[in-house]
Amino acid sequence: GAVVSQHPSWVICKSGTSVKIECRSLDFQATTMFWYRQFPKQSLMLMATSNEGSKATYEQGVEKDKFLINHASLTLSTLTVTSAHPEDSSFYICSAKNRGGENQPQHFGDGTRLSIL
Amino acid sequence: AQTVTQSQPEMSVQEAETVTLSCTYDTSENNYYLFWYKQPPSRQMILVIRQEAYKQQNATENRFSVNFQKAAKSFSLKISDSQLGDTAMYFCAFMKDSGYALNFGKGTSLLVTP
Repeated sequence: GAVVSQHPSWVICKSGTSVKIECRSLDFQATTMFWYRQFPKQSLMLMATSNEGSKATYEQGVEKDKFLINHASLTLSTLTVTSAHPEDSSFYICSAKNRGGENQPQHFGDGTRLSIL
Repeated sequence: AQTVTQSQPEMSVQEAETVTLSCTYDTSENNYYLFWYKQPPSRQMILVIRQEAYKQQNATENRFSVNFQKAAKSFSLKISDSQLGDTAMYFCAFMKDSGYALNFGKGTSLLVTP
């Protein structure tokens, strides 16, 4: 089945550090990937939609200069949390839509636990 | 904007029993997709079942089935013969169309007890 790889799975770093999270579709091409954030005991909230070859679309309240998204190829989208602070600590998860699967569900990565000290 | 409501924050069921998780949504769209996802403690998102709004027949996947009431905008999940491994958070999700993001409810924490 379709597989989405997300890396790293867990990262702990100091406040002020920038952290890059990768989301790869391993066996399909994804023109669109989605980035969600999930705080403890809460639901997944869409942060942004990543479109291959164009700028990402951010949801209201999400700072585009803080959460940089790059989708340079049909199989890779990256989310960079710039100058991360403790309040950015969360679970970040991506999903990808198969370019050729109009009626197919999105496929999720396994998520990244980000802890900022 | 579409909203998804799960009114049961927590539920408990005994092993081998049946449990129903409720979900309602609000939309002005006529064609859309609905999903139930399972999130165990590992936090992996596992697709349980999906339903296309244009299909009248309720979706079924082994022990999991849905009761889709389009007019009432209701999409409940029934788990039959509950197993200990069903213990997880369950999220109901709405998707406007293929290529759009998922809009999740707040989730229902299900505990299956021996």
